[in-house]
Amino acid sequence: NAGVTQTPKFQVLKTGQSMTLQCAQDMNHNSMYWYRQDPGMGLRLIYYSASEGTTDKGEVPNGYNVSRLNKREFSLRLESAAPSQTSVYFCASSVSGTGGSPLHFGNGTRLTVT
Amino acid sequence: AQSVTQLGSHVSVSEGALVLLRCNYSSSVPPYLFWYVQYPNQGLQLLLKYTSAATLVKGINGFEAEFKKSETSFHLTKPSAHMRDAAEYFCAVSDLNNNDMRFGAGTRLTVKP
Repeated sequence: NAGVTQTPKFQVLKTGQSMTLQCAQDMNHNSMYWYRQDPGMGLRLIYYSASEGTTDKGEVPNGYNVSRLNKREFSLRLESAAPSQTSVYFCASSVSGTGGSPLHFGNGTRLTVT
Repeated sequence: AQSVTQLGSHVSVSEGALVLLRCNYSSSVPPYLFWYVQYPNQGLQLLLKYTSAATLVKGINGFEAEFKKSETSFHLTKPSAHMRDAAEYFCAVSDLNNNDMRFGAGTRLTVKP
């Protein structure tokens, strides 16, 4: 079982470059999420998609955009990367909204912006 | 919004000793509480969750946590630490119909032989 798959695993960007992080889940989950993980700060929600066709901002959405391409796929785009976006990015999914429904995480994308 | 505070960014125990990782939550409504574990270069994995069915929750790998409303706590324990328990542990909170699960800053557990 693949679960949640993220690509790429590592990426180095220069300031101002753009890129898209890809995420796909094969568990038929309705909700999908993008988090960033920074040392000493835990995980912070960037955007989420409660169901196919909907997306909403989380705690730290500035500088990011998302697309829920279909039920399986949820991508995160950085239009103009900044050093402050150096982080580890995790995609997650859940059966439904997180009340009582645990998240299933991918293995992360480590992004460095120079 | 709800939040969690994990006391202690690093905890070190000897193999075979009791593990106690502390988590306090803040929520205006009955919360859903979770503990996740993260091994190096991996995503987070669910250890256990509290959803109001029972205050003592048993999880995987011998871990358990007790929900104490009076203390707004959800501490994680394991009677006897094993080397394979070395990892980072995150407490998280959400409420019903809320797509914003909030995580603590994490506690790194080291197990000494």
